[in-house]
Amino acid sequence: KAGVTQTPRYLIKTRGQQVTLSCSPISGHRSVSWYQQTPGQGLQFLFEYFSETQRNKGNFPGRFSGRQFSNSRSEMNVSTLELGDSALYLCASSLSRGQVTQYFGPGKRLIVL
Amino acid sequence: ELKVEQNPLFLSMQEGKNYTIYCNYSTTSDRLYWYRQDPGKSLESLFVLLSNGAVKQEGRLMASLDTKARLSTLHITAAVHDLSATYFCAVTGNQFYFGTGTSLTVIP
Repeated sequence: KAGVTQTPRYLIKTRGQQVTLSCSPISGHRSVSWYQQTPGQGLQFLFEYFSETQRNKGNFPGRFSGRQFSNSRSEMNVSTLELGDSALYLCASSLSRGQVTQYFGPGKRLIVL
Repeated sequence: ELKVEQNPLFLSMQEGKNYTIYCNYSTTSDRLYWYRQDPGKSLESLFVLLSNGAVKQEGRLMASLDTKARLSTLHITAAVHDLSATYFCAVTGNQFYFGTGTSLTVIP
């Protein structure tokens, strides 16, 4: 069974641009969560989607948004990029909400210049 | 907001030695997770602890949970180089809250 996939692995953008990151969950998984990982702030929860609805949102500005499609694939968008948005963005999927185990994808390294 | 603290942040230990990583959290949570992250890689789930007194073991790693003390420990027995990685604990409230991580280096 294929794992959580995030492509491409690296992305370089400049300040002010916007970026869309994509995540394909494990087949059959309906819950997708996004996380930001930086050396200074560690791992921080961005949002969780289940059945195409955002169920939880972390403490991030409105520039960060996301959505989930009917096939459970998810995208997150960051508008008006700032230097501080440079991070590893991780996507995780689970069978359903509250499912004990989340499976993480390889992550996408975003570099903002 | 639920806070999760790990200590130590950095740990250098010799092969064959034992050590414990501690994870404290600030408010009641119904489950606690331990993850491993290798440099440049994603997170790998190690343990899920669901109740007070829960203990789980896999190889040289053993995790335990004391919900009354809001404390989980990850005990490493007879460390080997392959265990070098960063270890995170996480608890769930309305979302996942991750600890700061413990960077473990096992030296010969």
